[in-house]
Amino acid sequence: AQSVTQLDSHVSVSEGTPVLLRCNYSSSYSPSLFWYVQHPNKGLQLLLKYTSAATLVKGINGFEAEFKKSETSFHLTKPSAHMSDAAEYFCVVSDRGRDDKIIFGKGTRLHILP
Amino acid sequence: GAGVSQSPRYKVTKRGQDVALRCDPISGHVSLYWYRQALGQGPEFLTYFNYEAQQDKSGLPNDRFSAERPEGSISTLTIQRTEQRDSAMYRCASSLAREQGAFTEAFFGQGTRLTVV
Repeated sequence: AQSVTQLDSHVSVSEGTPVLLRCNYSSSYSPSLFWYVQHPNKGLQLLLKYTSAATLVKGINGFEAEFKKSETSFHLTKPSAHMSDAAEYFCVVSDRGRDDKIIFGKGTRLHILP
Repeated sequence: GAGVSQSPRYKVTKRGQDVALRCDPISGHVSLYWYRQALGQGPEFLTYFNYEAQQDKSGLPNDRFSAERPEGSISTLTIQRTEQRDSAMYRCASSLAREQGAFTEAFFGQGTRLTVV
């Protein structure tokens, strides 16, 4: 069965500095991996997805993530944080080729310091 | 429709009452998912459908929870004899069939905030 672990429940960075949100996954098959963002009192929005094409995936708002099979990781990065990036971020895994069940991590709350 | 629609947006019910939460997915989407999200937590998988067939209901907490999607479109999540611990945001999502075997992303509705008093 697939699972996903987000290593940090909270991350704080200063505006203009890099962002790193860590995610490790477990999958019995080739996974599809996603990052979703949730702003306060808002719905879930897809940031980016990996589905076996390029291992470096670019998403919206300057975010990107790199799929590293050897490390079973899919960390989310952004070169320069903006105040509007403050939100909850969820790493999501699905076992491509196995079933369509999609599993969320517990989330990482990103705080941006002025 | 243009997006996933859930109703009601807010539901307050007394303990012991039954509630039915509705999800209207994006037209043509094959898969439909139900999640529960407690405050400060990630969405917790409940169940999902491909067309009208319930593929996996392993996330339903107990037999008070059930879901159906009889015509492969609109789905209803029913909670019988509600308890205070059932209070949460219930989210529905839908997705297209896979593209060349790859899972396509899920689009989420705004959710139903259920409060059991």
